[in-house]
Amino acid sequence: AQSVTQLGSHVSVSEGALVLLRCNYSSSVPPYLFWYVQYPNQGLQLLLKYTSAATLVKGINGFEAEFKKSETSFHLTKPSAHMSDAAEYFCAVMGGTSYGKLTFGQGTILTVHP
Amino acid sequence: GAGVSQTPSNKVTEKGKYVELRCDPISGHTALYWYRQSLGQGPEFLIYFQGTGAADDSGLPNDRFFAVRPEGSVSTLKIQRTERGDSAVYLCASSLTGGESGYTFGSGTRLTVV
Repeated sequence: AQSVTQLGSHVSVSEGALVLLRCNYSSSVPPYLFWYVQYPNQGLQLLLKYTSAATLVKGINGFEAEFKKSETSFHLTKPSAHMSDAAEYFCAVMGGTSYGKLTFGQGTILTVHP
Repeated sequence: GAGVSQTPSNKVTEKGKYVELRCDPISGHTALYWYRQSLGQGPEFLIYFQGTGAADDSGLPNDRFFAVRPEGSVSTLKIQRTERGDSAVYLCASSLTGGESGYTFGSGTRLTVV
């Protein structure tokens, strides 16, 4: 069985500061890993994905994430936060016998203040 | 179409009634997924179609929930004898193949059972 843990249900940063959203996963096989963003009253939008190529993955809107197998982590970062980054972020894992099925974390709400 | 379309966007129904939620995936996407998102939670997997058949329906909570995709395109999620606990946002997504490149989500149907 797979699972995802997002550490911190709420993260608050100042505009221009580093954004770090933490995700740890559990999977019995090498996984596919994803970060999605959800703006209020909208569907989920894919930010980036790891599919066993480069361990450092770059996504949209300046976000990136690094796959660290030894730490079973896939943390999301952005060097400088913008007000428009305020949203809820979800980490998700897919793999093994659950191929095709995404297992999501609980989400992290990012607040950006001036 | 250009994106995944879900109708209705909002549905209010009385406890015990039957509801149908519709999903129109991106043209050519063979895989289609239903998820349910309760307030403050990450999306929870319900069912996954590959073409017309359900490849994985392990997330359907009980036999009141049923989904079909008769022609391999539009899908309908059906809920019988609705309960207040069924209130949630029901998300549909589609992908070209098995989802390893990420899904495209619709904006969801907000179901409220009163």
